[in-house]
Formats: sequence, structure tokens, C-alpha cells
Amino acid sequence: GENVEQHPSTLSVQEGDSAVIKCTYSDSASNYFPWYKQELGKRPQLIIDIRSNVGEKKDQRIAVTLNKTAKHFSLHITETQPEDSAVYFCAARSVDSNYQLIWGAGTKLIIKP
Amino acid sequence: DVKVTQSSRYLVKRTGEKVFLECVQDMDHENMFWYRQDPGLGLRLIYFSYDVKMKEKGDIPEGYSVSREKKERFSLILESASTNQTSMYLCASSLLNQETQYFGPGTRLLVL
Repeated sequence: GENVEQHPSTLSVQEGDSAVIKCTYSDSASNYFPWYKQELGKRPQLIIDIRSNVGEKKDQRIAVTLNKTAKHFSLHITETQPEDSAVYFCAARSVDSNYQLIWGAGTKLIIKP
Repeated sequence: DVKVTQSSRYLVKRTGEKVFLECVQDMDHENMFWYRQDPGLGLRLIYFSYDVKMKEKGDIPEGYSVSREKKERFSLILESASTNQTSMYLCASSLLNQETQYFGPGTRLLVL
């Protein structure tokens, strides 16, 4: 079955700098890769996703890149702001998984003022 | 706007008690999920359901059962609570053929 590893577990960056979080997956049949953000005390919410037929997707300050050959995908946040502080989860979905998502362990992003 | 609600935000129970956690969604979603969230372990799937009265085991079903008698409601049952079931429990829902999951606010369960 699918396995998703996420790094780093904690990331501290200066406000205004960029942050990158990386995930690797094991199942080459996986075709959908979302990123969820969970602010302190709140529920996880989808912020961006990418499908396997696309290499990169952007939405304002956030972007996701996918390398199918290496089986990894990354979340990029530019010009970080205090409200970017949260736990970020990556996930992967395999065509055989009945719409289940396999989740990474999460990255706690800290934005230093 | 999708709304997923959970019956309690915080719950304290004693070892051996039977515990019911309820989740309700108002968007006619077919899929519903129960996860537990523990630091450093991410979201681990306990059970999911893709239709009324249907259920499938996730990665960590031991010690849990579920019930889906109505489309909008998915209940998680701890038959005999144990201290290692102390955790944050998150419910989620999604449309049948769509991947985006919408989460409830979570229930933080403490088993003493």
C-alpha cells in the first residue's frame, strides 16, 4: 500500500522568507496530491492540490511541484506571513484506494517576526 | 458552504466506558471518515463509509466500531475505552467521486 513521508517535522523561517515542505510517496499509481493546512485549534482545510498529469500549480503565494519520476512533491510558500504559521499535511491518493487519502505526519511551520 | 459538526469538542471518560462520538454533515456527501490525530503521527484512518450502512476498516480499526444509519451521520464507538485511545478525533466527509475532504472541528478525548 501507499506510504507518505513528510519532512521536516518542524520548520522555522523568518517572516518574508520562503518555506518549502517535502513529501515522498511509495505507490507509483498515486495520482492526486493535496496539501491541507491546520491552524492551531482549528480543522484541517485544503489549500492546494495537484494531479499527476501536471508538474506545478500555483495559487498566489503558494505553489506545489510534483516529480513523478522521483515520487516526491513539495509545497512552496513565498513571502511568508504570520498567518502562515500552522501545521501542514501532505497526502496522496492511489487509483486503487477508493478515494482514501494516505497522509504525511505533518510539518509545523513557525514564522518568526 | 460545507458544514461538518462533531457532537463534542472535549470529552473526558473513564477506562472501560463505552464512548460515542458523532459526526454530522449537511452537504449530502456520500463518503465519511474517522481519523485520529496524534503528534508526529499525522492523520490515521480508523474507519470510513461510502454509503449508508456500509463501512470499511482503515489503518487502525482495533478497539473501534462505527455506525452509519443515515447518510448525514457517522458515529464512532469505543466499546471499552482505554488510556491509549486518548487522542484528537477528526471526522471528515467528501462527495463520492471527489477527493477533497471537509473536516469537522475535532473531539479531544481524554481517557482516565
